[in-house]
Amino acid sequence: GDSVTQMEGPVTLSEEAFLTINCTYTATGYPSLFWYVQYPGEGLQLLLKATKADDKGSNKGFEATYRKETTSFHLEKGSVQVSDSAVYFCALSDGGGSNYKLTFGKGTLLTVNP
Amino acid sequence: NAGVMQNPRHLVRRRGQEARLRCSPMKGHSHVYWYRQLPEEGLKFMVYLQKENIIDESGMPKERFSAEFPKEGPSILRIQQVVRGDSAAYFCASSPPRTSGGELFFGEGSRLTVL
Repeated sequence: GDSVTQMEGPVTLSEEAFLTINCTYTATGYPSLFWYVQYPGEGLQLLLKATKADDKGSNKGFEATYRKETTSFHLEKGSVQVSDSAVYFCALSDGGGSNYKLTFGKGTLLTVNP
Repeated sequence: NAGVMQNPRHLVRRRGQEARLRCSPMKGHSHVYWYRQLPEEGLKFMVYLQKENIIDESGMPKERFSAEFPKEGPSILRIQQVVRGDSAAYFCASSPPRTSGGELFFGEGSRLTVL
């Protein structure tokens, strides 16, 4: 079945550092790929998504590119802020009729220190 | 602009008791989904409901678990005769009638601990 593997946390960075959180997936067909973020005390919210190969999703300075050849969707940000401290989840949907059935990674806790 | 509301946030039950978790979707959303996150695992789909209908329950354990989304009131996930293995975070999500694939709006989760 489908699966998502993401970088183990926790990750601790200083403000303005470069961030990469790795995510690889296994899926049949042509999945859509997502990054969700959970800030402290809040629910998960969609950060960005990509629906086909070579698409780049971007939002709030974060980017991720759908790489079919390496089955990856790594999350990057050039300069993190304290407010980016959160848990980040990589996820996929099978792209078919059941697009509400997301397969999630375990989540990566990011802490950004001032 | 209230988001998805789940309660209780934390629930402690002894083995054999019942657990009821409630979820109120975002305003204007008529589709509700429940996910479970077991320790050290990612969130896993359990069930998809619309008002008074179960659309897809392929992720629900066959016994002791049930879900409903009545015409009035919140969606409820019910776990009967809880066991230690039911200890997990249960997330509810909602979406409007026509969702852009995969964009679900999640609550903060309800954390169930079974003693």
